[in-house]
Amino acid sequence: NAGVMQNPRHLVRRRGQEARLRCSPMKGHSHVYWYRQLPEEGLKFMVYLQKENIIDESGMPKERFSAEFPKEGPSILRIQQVVRGDSAAYFCASSRALAGSGETQYFGPGTRLLVL
Amino acid sequence: GESVGLHLPTLSVQEGDNSIINCAYSNSASDYFIWYKQESGKGPQFIIDIRSNMDKRQGQRVTVLLNKTVKHLSLQIAATQPGDSAVYFCAEIPVIQGAQKLVFGQGTRLTINP
Repeated sequence: NAGVMQNPRHLVRRRGQEARLRCSPMKGHSHVYWYRQLPEEGLKFMVYLQKENIIDESGMPKERFSAEFPKEGPSILRIQQVVRGDSAAYFCASSRALAGSGETQYFGPGTRLLVL
Repeated sequence: GESVGLHLPTLSVQEGDNSIINCAYSNSASDYFIWYKQESGKGPQFIIDIRSNMDKRQGQRVTVLLNKTVKHLSLQIAATQPGDSAVYFCAEIPVIQGAQKLVFGQGTRLTINP
């Protein structure tokens, strides 16, 4: 019973390039969440998606960042024209239903993005 | 604004002792609280959760206490083991914000000394 899967685990990009981070939720989970973590800090919410819908993107920067969760395939977090400040660990979580209803969010291993 | 914070950034205990990690939250409307454990280089791992209509919940070697009067959450780990060394985060879901996003505290680094 595979958990949340993320790839790549490590990603190095030069300033101005694009970064694509992928997340496959746990089997049976239809809700996906993306969080960002800076060193020695807690995770910060970015975006919450269900299949083909963005439910809450209040934590995502208005420019350069986008997320999708297509009907088929993994959820994608896309960062265009990366800058050094984008360097962080990006975690994906999934749940069966709304977390507030008692279904907890289970996290993947994260993608560590380094922008040179 | 909402915030979830921790009283102690680091905690060292002897193997076999009990440990208590504390967390303060500011949003009295929060309905759901979770403790996560994060080991170096890994994602947060669910430990235990508690809803606002409860004040205590027990798991295997862990107990979460919720005091809504003073908006305080704690995680008790009994008979600590070397594998308990990690950073522990409390997180809440603020109901008034509507969306199902977790608000995390800064974290407490727990070190188990042999």
